[in-house]
Amino acid sequence: GENVEQHPSTLSVQEGDSAVIKCTYSDSASNYFPWYKQELGKGPQLIIDIRSNVGEKKDQRIAVTLNKTAKHFSLHITETQPEDSAVYFCAASRGSYIPTFGRGTSLIVHP
Amino acid sequence: SAVISQKPSRDICQRGTSLTIQCQVDSQVTMMFWYRQQPGQSLTLIATANQGSEATYESGFVIDKFPISRPNLTFSTLTVSNMSPEDSSIYLCSSRDTEAFFGQGTRLTVV
Repeated sequence: GENVEQHPSTLSVQEGDSAVIKCTYSDSASNYFPWYKQELGKGPQLIIDIRSNVGEKKDQRIAVTLNKTAKHFSLHITETQPEDSAVYFCAASRGSYIPTFGRGTSLIVHP
Repeated sequence: SAVISQKPSRDICQRGTSLTIQCQVDSQVTMMFWYRQQPGQSLTLIATANQGSEATYESGFVIDKFPISRPNLTFSTLTVSNMSPEDSSIYLCSSRDTEAFFGQGTRLTVV
């Protein structure tokens, strides 16, 4: 089955800095890679996703890159703000298969 | 995107009792899932809730402990039976068509 590794487990940055979270996956057939943000006391919310037919996708301050050859994908947050503080999860899935989640990254943005 | 309502949002229960968690989706969805998230951990899939048939459980989870119902394409319940303190966790409902969405979670504390 799929195995997703996520690093780092904790990331602390100053407001305005960039943050990068990296994930690797094992199943070369995986073709859908979503990212979720989970704030305290809430369920995970989909913030951005990428499919295997593109290498990069951007939505305002958030971007995701995918390297299918190396089987890794990354989340980039620019100009971080305190409200970006949360736990971020990456995931990978093949078609309509159930996604496999990474272990999460706790992002702390210091004002 | 689907909107998922989950209740209760939290509960404190006595050991040996059972709690039923309800999940309502605002549109018909093919797939519904139940996850457990222990403090500071990633999401662990409990089972896939199948409409009109028995749920499909992941390794380590059994129907007697976590009975699941799915009477139609918008609703599911998860019961945590004969609870012990080890069952204290966040339980999340999720649905998936093209993307996976989550409810806000049920924070369960067993005392």
